[in-house]
Amino acid sequence: GENVEQHPSTLSVQEGDSAVIKCTYSDSASNYFPWYKQELGKGPQLIIDIRSNVGEKKDQRIAVTLNKTAKHFSLHITETQPEDSAVYFCAAQEGNNRLAFGKGNQVVVIP
Amino acid sequence: NAGVMQNPRHLVRRRGQEARLRCSPMKGHSHVYWYRQLPEEGLKFMVYLQKENIIDESGMPKERFSAEFPKEGPSILRIQQVVRGDSAAYFCASSLGQAQETQYFGPGTRLLVL
Repeated sequence: GENVEQHPSTLSVQEGDSAVIKCTYSDSASNYFPWYKQELGKGPQLIIDIRSNVGEKKDQRIAVTLNKTAKHFSLHITETQPEDSAVYFCAAQEGNNRLAFGKGNQVVVIP
Repeated sequence: NAGVMQNPRHLVRRRGQEARLRCSPMKGHSHVYWYRQLPEEGLKFMVYLQKENIIDESGMPKERFSAEFPKEGPSILRIQQVVRGDSAAYFCASSLGQAQETQYFGPGTRLLVL
């Protein structure tokens, strides 16, 4: 099955700086890659997703890039704010719509 | 415009008891997924259901766990004879069902087995 790895496991950034989280996946058949943000005690919230027919997608301060050849995709958050502090999960869609998740990345934005 | 709803939000059971977790998908969604999250871990797929059908249960333990999504009412994840290792957060997600469709998650049920 699909194996998704996420790096780094924790990331601290100064408010206003950029944060980048990278994920790799193993199954070249995967074609859909969502990113979720999870705050303490809450469910995962979709923040952005990308499909394999595009290499980059942007939504305000958040962007995702996809390199299908290298089988990796990255989340970019610019002008970070304290409310961006959370755990971020990347995922890749396997067969039967299953999502395979990375282990998560704790982002801490330091005011 | 209600999102995915799960109840209860917290559930405490003693070893050997049964746990029933409920999930109501977003309006218009007929596909439901259950995931389990252990502390400081990512989410692990358990089961994928459509109305009255189990599509994929490859991530669900063969014993003690079962899931259903009846024609009427919420999806139910049932855990019989719970053990301490079942303590986790259980999340339900729903989608329109087509491939590459976004899955929207509920707030989860946090199960604690004493």
